Amino acid sequence: DQQVKQNSPSLSVQEGRISILNCDYTNSMFDYFLWYKKYPAEGPTFLISISSIKDKNEDGRFTVFLNKSAKHLSLHIVPSQPGDSAVYFCAASAHSNTGKLIFGQGTTLQVKP
Amino acid sequence: EPEVTQTPSHQVTQMGQEVILRCVPISNHLYFYWYRQILGQKVEFLVSFYNNEISEKSEIFDDQFSVERPDGSNFTLKIRSTKLEDSAMYFCASSEPSGGDNEQFFGPGTRLTVL
Repeated sequence: DQQVKQNSPSLSVQEGRISILNCDYTNSMFDYFLWYKKYPAEGPTFLISISSIKDKNEDGRFTVFLNKSAKHLSLHIVPSQPGDSAVYFCAASAHSNTGKLIFGQGTTLQVKP
Repeated sequence: EPEVTQTPSHQVTQMGQEVILRCVPISNHLYFYWYRQILGQKVEFLVSFYNNEISEKSEIFDDQFSVERPDGSNFTLKIRSTKLEDSAMYFCASSEPSGGDNEQFFGPGTRLTVL
């Protein structure tokens, strides 16, 4: 049951350029979306989130765009830095007291110097 | 900066043995979670815990699993009789929800190896 999908397992970009990571979801009940970054042997680190009432949220070099009609969100990193190289997970939740997060499979980003 | 901590970082056990994975959530957080990630697969939700009781659990979280908050700081996951397929990274997370937002903070994980 893949309610959250990240169809690109990997992405390679040059330092200074834009990185665009994509995520699709199927459950229309999802109303909160998050991006996490994960290094090997560490837990996921929260990066940025967006509520379904918005279509864009920006935090420094990171911007998340939400297209509800397409059930699609994307994370833009600009400019990309070598330290951004990690696995990026998209996650979604439905408004509820439980707060369960449903994760995508992850996209490995490599930023080349 | 406050963080979620987990112990041990790596646990090796024999099939059929009981294991307890420990977590110390961020102190003012109210919701606690366990997730796991089998090697090469996605992070999967196991259970959420609020107000000293389970609020939701996944199909993975069967009778072999239990959670407990034995005191004001620890949150534990017990697997009563481990199976080979329980080998995974187990992540604890906590959150302080407000207005429906659910920014969860994850610990570094415990790698469980069942032999």
